[in-house]
Amino acid sequence: DAKTTQPPSMDCAEGRAANLPCNHSTISGNEYVYWYRQIHSQGPQYIIHGLKNNETNEMASLIITEDRKSSTLILPHATLRDTAVYYCIVRVPGGSDKIIFGKGTRLHILP
Amino acid sequence: KAGVTQTPRYLIKTRGQQVTLSCSPISGHRSVSWYQQTPGQGLQFLFEYFSETQRNKGNFPGRFSGRQFSNSRSEMNVSTLELGDSALYLCASRSGDGSSYNEQFFGPGTRLTVL
Repeated sequence: DAKTTQPPSMDCAEGRAANLPCNHSTISGNEYVYWYRQIHSQGPQYIIHGLKNNETNEMASLIITEDRKSSTLILPHATLRDTAVYYCIVRVPGGSDKIIFGKGTRLHILP
Repeated sequence: KAGVTQTPRYLIKTRGQQVTLSCSPISGHRSVSWYQQTPGQGLQFLFEYFSETQRNKGNFPGRFSGRQFSNSRSEMNVSTLELGDSALYLCASRSGDGSSYNEQFFGPGTRLTVL
């Protein structure tokens, strides 16, 4: 079973920051938070991951709370091309872990 | 590097038939995982192969099977197809050996329709 909880859908105006929340209250000390997104009819795409510090790359920023029980993915300037389902998962980045996806959040970018 | 490739991209079969799907991982990746995606159930983990051995398995019936070859390419097979097997089948590769953060890279998927 997925260890994360996400809202089923969210709206965001084009050009604004999209903030996607994820709850992972049972996260273990050695588990990382990973984010993927899936644009319609394509395979999921890796976005970012983090352990406890905030992370930023060219696609997004990841903010993890101090207790690590929740996180937020931030798309700083959302465009219509960011319309997708966003998945948050937690896992140990070792070799043999089983990677389980939840239902994700369907993000609608409004023009 | 070339990405994950899957063949065929689209497939139509009838109930009772069997089907084989193919996946070529990113060069150097030894782990290949398979997922089934349907509108109702979302992304469901089928199994993972690493160095030609099944390392993890999801909750699917024995009609779903797979294998991995020495070059890390993988195939999955579904026998005695049912209407409910209609789905997008996704393959994902990663290094799988713990030497990196092991992010998965997905292929475009094979869309299977069972009539």
